[in-house]
Amino acid sequence: QSVLTQPPSVSGTPGQRVTMSCSGSSSNIGMNTVNWYQQLPGTAPKLLIYSNNQRPSGVPDRFSGSRSGTSASLAISGLQSEDEAEYYCAAWDDSLNGHVVFGGGTKLTVL
Amino acid sequence: QVQLQESGPGVVKPSETLSLSCSVSTGSFSSSSHHWAWIRQPPGKGLEWIASISYSGTTSYSPSLKSRVTISVDTSKDHFSLNLNFVTAADTALYYCARRATSSWSAFDIWGLGTMVTVSS
Repeated sequence: QSVLTQPPSVSGTPGQRVTMSCSGSSSNIGMNTVNWYQQLPGTAPKLLIYSNNQRPSGVPDRFSGSRSGTSASLAISGLQSEDEAEYYCAAWDDSLNGHVVFGGGTKLTVL
Repeated sequence: QVQLQESGPGVVKPSETLSLSCSVSTGSFSSSSHHWAWIRQPPGKGLEWIASISYSGTTSYSPSLKSRVTISVDTSKDHFSLNLNFVTAADTALYYCARRATSSWSAFDIWGLGTMVTVSS
């Protein structure tokens, strides 16, 4: 059972806009920034969004993040087949001397 | 570009200690701005953060693993290590080392390819 809650799966068709959620609590998302990772099959995770809504260099602006209260969201517009991957959210949790918590991951399927 | 490379034993027997090492490309390890971390992923499952350490040796641990884990740095050799004691089958996973970005305590911007560890007798 992950500390951050993500839907197991979402799907969309090419060109569509999809969103996925990440729900936490006051000790993690409510107090600290959220980061998102994309994991393509058989590869290491890649930092996709940091500090709630910032994109590292090289990440297309089709990807955007937001945070409100104790929840966060990742949006992908202009969906492409290569976006099919597992997506994870993460945040620092201030409880128990502080630690990193991940969501369980959301599998994005491009139909 | 900073590169990370994990190394490990591949197979560990139950109740023994797992030792992993992460080599950091020359010139990038001594930055005081970055922390270094271990993150694992059991087969078919999600990511689990294990521990982080700064170049100066400041550590943080997963509450669920803290009693069995030690993370350390070897500044003279540009690498950091993880020891996990009393392993069980539940510790079977792909173990990644990663660099924590300066922007956020849970943002890991550079990852190794991972090393698979199987706990089996």
